[in-house]
Order: sequence, then C-alpha cells, then structure tokens
Amino acid sequence: DAGVTQSPTHLIKTRGQQVTLRCSPKSGHDTVSWYQQALGQGPQFIFQYYEEEERQRGNFPDRFSGHQFPNYSSELNVNALLLGDSALYLCASSLEGGAFSPLHFGNGTRLTVT
Amino acid sequence: QQQVKQSPQSLIVQKGGISIINCAYENTAFDYFPWYQQFPGKGPALLIAIRPDVSEKKEGRFTISFNKSAKQFSLHIMDSQPGDSATYFCAARPFSGNTGKLIFGQGTTLQVKP
Repeated sequence: DAGVTQSPTHLIKTRGQQVTLRCSPKSGHDTVSWYQQALGQGPQFIFQYYEEEERQRGNFPDRFSGHQFPNYSSELNVNALLLGDSALYLCASSLEGGAFSPLHFGNGTRLTVT
Repeated sequence: QQQVKQSPQSLIVQKGGISIINCAYENTAFDYFPWYQQFPGKGPALLIAIRPDVSEKKEGRFTISFNKSAKQFSLHIMDSQPGDSATYFCAARPFSGNTGKLIFGQGTTLQVKP
C-alpha cells in the first residue's frame, strides 16, 4: 500500500521562475493538503483540495495555486519565485469524513530558489 | 491569531531516560492534538494524537497528557532510545470539520545519547 508520494525530491529554480510540484495521495485518501516547511520551523498550511476544489487556504499569496485531479492527485504551482520560497514543500493526504482522520505526509520536495 | 507554542527547542536525554516536550495553545477552538516525529530528509509521521475530552493517552512508550483548563499538552517518551532521536512537532487542528489544516509548533530536536 503506497503512501503519499511527491515529485521531484529536489528542485533548483531562479528568482522569477515558476515551479510545479506533484503529489499522489495515499491509497484510499481523497483529500490533499499542502504545507511549506522552512528550515528549522514547523510546517505551515498552504491550502487543501477536496473534490477538485480549493476548500481552505492559509496565509499565502495568490502566487501559490493548486489543482486536484479526478484521481485525487494534486499539483502545487508557485509563480514569480522569491528567495524566501526556498523550503521543503510537503503534501499530506487524508480521508474526508473521518472526524479525526490523520494526515499522512510525503517526504516532500526540497525547493531552492537562487 | 491561532498559535501553538512548543518548548524546549532542543533536548538531550540519556538512553533510558524520560523525554518531555511541552506545548501550549492560545485559542480554544481546536478539536484534535496530534504529535508528529520527523527524521532528516523525511516527512512528518504521526506518533500519537489526543482529543480535548481526554486527559491522557498512552501508546507504547509514548504518552500525551492534556490539560484543557491550562490550554497545555505534553508528550512523554519513556525509556528513550537513540532511535528516538528526531524532531518532534506538536500540532492542533482548528475546529472546522476540516481534516487538513493543522497549526504546528516550532519543533523540538531530541537527541538521545547512548
């Protein structure tokens, strides 16, 4: 039973560029959340997708956008990259309807912006 | 603003000792409090979680103690082992029926010396 998988594992981009990160949820899960984890910090919630729609959003600018596909996989897009966007981007999946359905995290994509 | 404050930032414990990590929150509208363990290069993995109507939960060597009136909760690791050396995050879920958003603490780096 595959867990949450993310690709790529590492990425280097230049300021001003755009990036797309990908996530496949754990088998049986239908909800995907994205988090940003700066070095030495706890993860910060970016947004959540369910039924192909953004359902909830954290305190991140519109440069951060996403998409969920019918097979529940998801993409995170970041436009006009800034140096401060360098971080580990984590995808987490869960099952909607479970009152205490735990989040299962992938191993993340390490984004470096130069 | 919803916040979760975690202490200490780092912790060194001898093998066989007890590791204690504390968290406090500033908003009463949380309904689920998980703890995550993260190893370098990996995503956070759920260790144990508690609901606010329970004062203590134990799973193996890991125990959560929850004090609703003080808005505090803590993780106790009994008989700490070198393999427990990792970063630990407490988190809280805003009460919204949404499973994906967690507010994380800043993390505690635990080193267990042989």
